[in-house]
Amino acid sequence: AQSVTQPDIHITVSEGASLELRCNYSYGATPYLFWYVQSPGQGLQLLLKYFSGDTLVQGIKGFEAEFKRSQSSFNLRKPSVHWSDAAEYFCAVDGGAGSNYKLTFGKGTLLTVNP
Amino acid sequence: EPEVTQTPSHQVTQMGQEVILRCVPISNHLYFYWYRQILGQKVEFLVSFYNNEISEKSEIFDDQFSVERPDGSNFTLKIRSTKLEDSAMYFCASSARGNQPQHFGDGTRLSIL
Repeated sequence: AQSVTQPDIHITVSEGASLELRCNYSYGATPYLFWYVQSPGQGLQLLLKYFSGDTLVQGIKGFEAEFKRSQSSFNLRKPSVHWSDAAEYFCAVDGGAGSNYKLTFGKGTLLTVNP
Repeated sequence: EPEVTQTPSHQVTQMGQEVILRCVPISNHLYFYWYRQILGQKVEFLVSFYNNEISEKSEIFDDQFSVERPDGSNFTLKIRSTKLEDSAMYFCASSARGNQPQHFGDGTRLSIL
């Protein structure tokens, strides 16, 4: 069965600092991988996705993520964090047709940005 | 940009009552999903729906739960007899095709008293 681990429950960074949020997945084949962001009281907004091809994917709001098959990781990065990036971030894996495309989420990482 | 809309944003219901959560997926999407997030926990898959039938459901989605697409636009989740542990945020999502990203609504916060 597919699973996702986000080792960091809460991360605090200063505005302007770089950011890396970790995500490890377990899945038997090449996964579809996603990062979603959730601001308080809001739904889940898609930041970026990996389906195949180039292992470095660009998303919205200046985020990028790198798929590393050897490490079963899909870490999210941003070179310079803005105060508006404070939110909860979820990594998710899609099991494909075999699981009818259901998403399995990690527990999330709460990002706090200090001024 | 088209979006998934959910109503109501907050539903308060007595234990044992029936509740219906409503969703309007993006209009040209064909795959529909419900997820839930209990406070402080991760987002969990409930059910997927395609071609007017359930294609996958989790063990959470027991006989008390049902989904329906009563017309060309709405997608509903019904809980027949609510329990305290059904209190959660419920998210609807849709995708154009199965292997396309899922777009989520803002959720319905369900509080069972």
